[in-house]
Amino acid sequence: DQQVKQNSPSLSVQEGRISILNCDYTNSMFDYFLWYKKYPAEGPTFLISISSIKDKNEDGRFTVFLNKSAKHLSLHIVPSQPGDSAVYFCAARGNAGNMLTFGGGTRLMVKP
Amino acid sequence: GAVVSQHPSWVICKSGTSVKIECRSLDFQATTMFWYRQFPKQSLMLMATSNEGSKATYEQGVEKDKFLINHASLTLSTLTVTSAHPEDSSFYICSAGGGAGGKGGYTFGSGTRLTVV
Repeated sequence: DQQVKQNSPSLSVQEGRISILNCDYTNSMFDYFLWYKKYPAEGPTFLISISSIKDKNEDGRFTVFLNKSAKHLSLHIVPSQPGDSAVYFCAARGNAGNMLTFGGGTRLMVKP
Repeated sequence: GAVVSQHPSWVICKSGTSVKIECRSLDFQATTMFWYRQFPKQSLMLMATSNEGSKATYEQGVEKDKFLINHASLTLSTLTVTSAHPEDSSFYICSAGGGAGGKGGYTFGSGTRLTVV
């Protein structure tokens, strides 16, 4: 039973365009969401987070949107750069235990 | 700030031997450490949560006698894979946090690739 899902295993985008990565969740008790970028054989790198009391958070080229009613969040990267090519994971925190539940990841490829 | 050092980065061991992976918080105290494993092209799966000075809490399906976790101090947590078998080959990652601070409140180690031959 996957509580956090990333339905697109891969995404290809042209350099300079917008990348939109999507994430859906089922547990309404999640109160905090995070996005990570990950390369093979490395730990995840934190990108941006959002609390469940907000619907948008922006940091430079990265913006996360949260739609609580739809249990959906998305990460927008604009403009996309070839260096953004990696696997992106969304993660959610429940209000018990502080542990994170990860989605399956989306491989982003930004073409020059 | 908030760095977690994980060692070793990679290890190859013979089947039946034990391997210890260390995670150290370098500039902060980690009262809680999470241990994950990741199979190729899959997500990070939480194995266990450890709190300093107490027994670890294991996720369903994770053998606590096989994956020994020790969190004896606020700066060090270890995962020992006992009697390793080829199916234990995976990428193991630790994470400290769950509190406030940079990096979303969680700090990940760089991971350990374990290959059991």
